[in-house]
Amino acid sequence: DAGVTQSPTHLIKTRGQQVTLRCSPISGHKSVSWYQQVLGQGPQFIFQYYEKEERGRGNFPDRFSARQFPNYSSELNVNALLLGDSALYLCASSNRQPDTEAFFGQGTRLTVV
Amino acid sequence: QQQVKQSPQSLIVQKGGISIINCAYENTAFDYFPWYQQFPGKGPALLIAIRPDVSEKKEGRFTISFNKSAKQFSLHIMDSQPGDSATYFCAAIDYGGSQGNLIFGKGTKLSVKP
Repeated sequence: DAGVTQSPTHLIKTRGQQVTLRCSPISGHKSVSWYQQVLGQGPQFIFQYYEKEERGRGNFPDRFSARQFPNYSSELNVNALLLGDSALYLCASSNRQPDTEAFFGQGTRLTVV
Repeated sequence: QQQVKQSPQSLIVQKGGISIINCAYENTAFDYFPWYQQFPGKGPALLIAIRPDVSEKKEGRFTISFNKSAKQFSLHIMDSQPGDSATYFCAAIDYGGSQGNLIFGKGTKLSVKP
């Protein structure tokens, strides 16, 4: 049974560019959450979607946006990239909201130069 | 404001020893406390979790101790092995809150020496 899959695994972007990260949850899971993990820190909550509706938003600027599709996959978009956006972006899926028993993907390593 | 404080930042333990990682929280609405294990290049993996109605939960070599009055909880790894070397994160969640997201501590890098 496939776990949470994220793509791409690594990405290098230039300041000011836009990026789209993708996540496919575990089959049957309806909740997808996005977290940002800066090197040496714990993951920080960005967004949560449950049944295709936004259920939570962390303290991130409006440059960050997300959506969930009918098949429960999700995209995270970041506009006008800053150097400080360099991080590991993690997607977590759960079969319920809140995120108890959340399963994380391997993440997308984003480097902004 | 950091809602979950984790210590120590790093820990070195000899093989066979006991690893102890501590966390403290501020929000009394938190009602689910998981621990995650993360290896380099991987996402965090759920290790063990506890609810505040119990004081201890054990799964194999991993034990969570929970002190509700002190708002503290800890992870004990018995008979630590080199394969346990990883970064460990405590987390908390407000089950009844409007947002069901995990709030993580800053992590503890554990090194188990052979």
